[in-house]
Amino acid sequence: AQTVTQSQPEMSVQEAETVTLSCTYDTSESDYYLFWYKQPPSRQMILVIRQEAYKQQNATENRFSVNFQKAAKSFSLKISDSQLGDAAMYFCAYRSESYTGTASKLTFGTGTRLQVTL
Amino acid sequence: DAGVIQSPRHEVTEMGQEVTLRCKPISGHNSLFWYRQTMMRGLELLIYFNNNVPIDDSGMPEDRFSAKMPNASFSTLKIQPSEPRDSAVYFCASRPGRTYNEQFFGPGTRLTVL
Repeated sequence: AQTVTQSQPEMSVQEAETVTLSCTYDTSESDYYLFWYKQPPSRQMILVIRQEAYKQQNATENRFSVNFQKAAKSFSLKISDSQLGDAAMYFCAYRSESYTGTASKLTFGTGTRLQVTL
Repeated sequence: DAGVIQSPRHEVTEMGQEVTLRCKPISGHNSLFWYRQTMMRGLELLIYFNNNVPIDDSGMPEDRFSAKMPNASFSTLKIQPSEPRDSAVYFCASRPGRTYNEQFFGPGTRLTVL
């Protein structure tokens, strides 16, 4: 079974600065997908960025980028020019490439609470 | 696009009562997921439907939990009888198809069982 580990329960960053959230995962599969979801106080789960394991290029979405190290099974999220609205829980998630049965589910890490200070 | 709709947003009930949570997926999506979020266990998949058929219910904690999807636009998660340890936020998510990667989450239902 796949597992996702987020070792930082809380992180803090000053506005306009850069912060990196860590995520590691364990899998025996070679093809899979990785995601970062944001959960603000409203509880809504919002997809921030996704990465296909077969792609070597790191995904980027505006101020959000990832550092995907497949061999190390590491998938960190970098937030540049942090804004107050970035304050939220951030969840790393794994999904198998297979489309059958349990493989369709997302396996989540325990989350990192990000605080953004002035 | 209204997104995934869940009702109620908050539910407070007493132990032993029946609780029904509702979900309307995004129109055209044919995969639907129910997740539970607690402080202790994080986000866990309870059950997954594809084309209204339950594909994997291995995450359903026990027989007190049941889920149905009578049609493509509606699903329910029922707990009978409810217990205090069922208190959690329950999320419904939908996806356009099995080969699509992104799941779209509803706002969740916060359930409190006293």
